[in-house]
Amino acid sequence: AQTVTQSQPEMSVQEAETVTLSCTYDTSESDYYLFWYKQPPSRQMILVIRQEAYKQQNATENRFSVNFQKAAKSFSLKISDSQLGDAAMYFCAYRSANQGAQKLVFGQGTRLTINP
Amino acid sequence: DSGVTQTPKHLITATGQRVTLRCSPRSGDLSVYWYQQSLDQGLQFLIQYYNGEERAKGNILERFSAQQFPDLHSELNLSSLELGDSALYFCASSVGLGTSHEQYFGPGTRLTVT
Repeated sequence: AQTVTQSQPEMSVQEAETVTLSCTYDTSESDYYLFWYKQPPSRQMILVIRQEAYKQQNATENRFSVNFQKAAKSFSLKISDSQLGDAAMYFCAYRSANQGAQKLVFGQGTRLTINP
Repeated sequence: DSGVTQTPKHLITATGQRVTLRCSPRSGDLSVYWYQQSLDQGLQFLIQYYNGEERAKGNILERFSAQQFPDLHSELNLSSLELGDSALYFCASSVGLGTSHEQYFGPGTRLTVT
């Protein structure tokens, strides 16, 4: 079974600075998807960024980018120019590319605080 | 707004009772997923339906059941409720079975069992 580990329960960063959230995963599959979801105090789950395992290029979405290291099974999220609205729980998630296994497997989350 | 709706938003009930949580997927989405978020277990996959049929099961208790109706809305039934069932229950939907399809989450139903 696949597992996702986020080793940083809490992180904090100064507004306008850059922060990196860590995620590692364990799988025996070669084809899969990785995601970062944001959960603000409203509790809504918001997709931040996704990465296909077969793509070597790291995904970017505006101020959000990932460092995907397939061999190391590492998938970190970098947030540049942090804004107060980035304060939230961030969850790393894995999904198999097998059509029979489309569930998302989540890490335990990292609570990000932005200091003004 | 993801386009996925869930009702009710909050639910408070007593141990031993039964509740039904409802989810309406985004227009055109055929797949519905249920997830449970609790303090001790984190975010866990419960069950998936595709076009009315059960597709995959996760860590769903026998006291819990779900179904997807012809209009594609889904219901999660929780019975013989225990204190440990208190959690945030999310519904998510996606277009179909293609693994590239994103899952869009509803706002969740917060269940409190007293």
